[in-house]
Amino acid sequence: SAVISQKPSRDICQRGTSLTIQCQVDSQVTMMFWYRQQPGQSLTLIATANQGSEATYESGFVIDKFPISRPNLTFSTLTVSNMSPEDSSIYLCSGGGTGGVGELFFGEGSRLTVL
Amino acid sequence: AQSVTQLDSQVPVFEEAPVELRCNYSSSVSVYLFWYVQYPNQGLQLLLKYLSGSTLVKGINGFEAEFNKSQTSFHLRKPSVHISDTAEYFCAVSGYSGGGADGLTFGKGTHLIIQP
Repeated sequence: SAVISQKPSRDICQRGTSLTIQCQVDSQVTMMFWYRQQPGQSLTLIATANQGSEATYESGFVIDKFPISRPNLTFSTLTVSNMSPEDSSIYLCSGGGTGGVGELFFGEGSRLTVL
Repeated sequence: AQSVTQLDSQVPVFEEAPVELRCNYSSSVSVYLFWYVQYPNQGLQLLLKYLSGSTLVKGINGFEAEFNKSQTSFHLRKPSVHISDTAEYFCAVSGYSGGGADGLTFGKGTHLIIQP
């Protein structure tokens, strides 16, 4: 299994600012993903973080709003840019490829509140 | 593309009673199926997964699920629940990619409420 740590665990941000969330995995993982979980909702895939290349974004998410980096096999960042209250959500990092086919491990999430 | 439907947003059950949480999926390709649990203010934890082989899979905490291809279902069951099982349960699907992890598509979740 893989242990995934995220920072910050929670933050309160002002409208128009940007925040970068860090995701650290304790072992190398093939795939890393970023999800968003809005209040009372399920998880929605934002993008696949590709090591050494540009992230692959899902429909409805764009790089200008959610730039992602993945410099190596154990680390990734997600930036939420020019935040508005609609961006208030839990952002979860996940990784897989070490625990068996198809299995993903999740961090505990970063809870953002935008005022 | 895949989709997942969890038919019940909330399921109240008395302690020590059995429970079934329903999940149906749709996909144009073969799939892997998962159940995750999210306890309050925590991340997601894998309960069990179906990749291939026996259609009845057993997971942690006494949970099991049965894959039914003809009904495109993957319902989660537990014969006797405890207060500690109160949590949000997510069914998820991944399209078969021949190996490696794909991004999962999640259902909307079922909130299991255990009543004393």
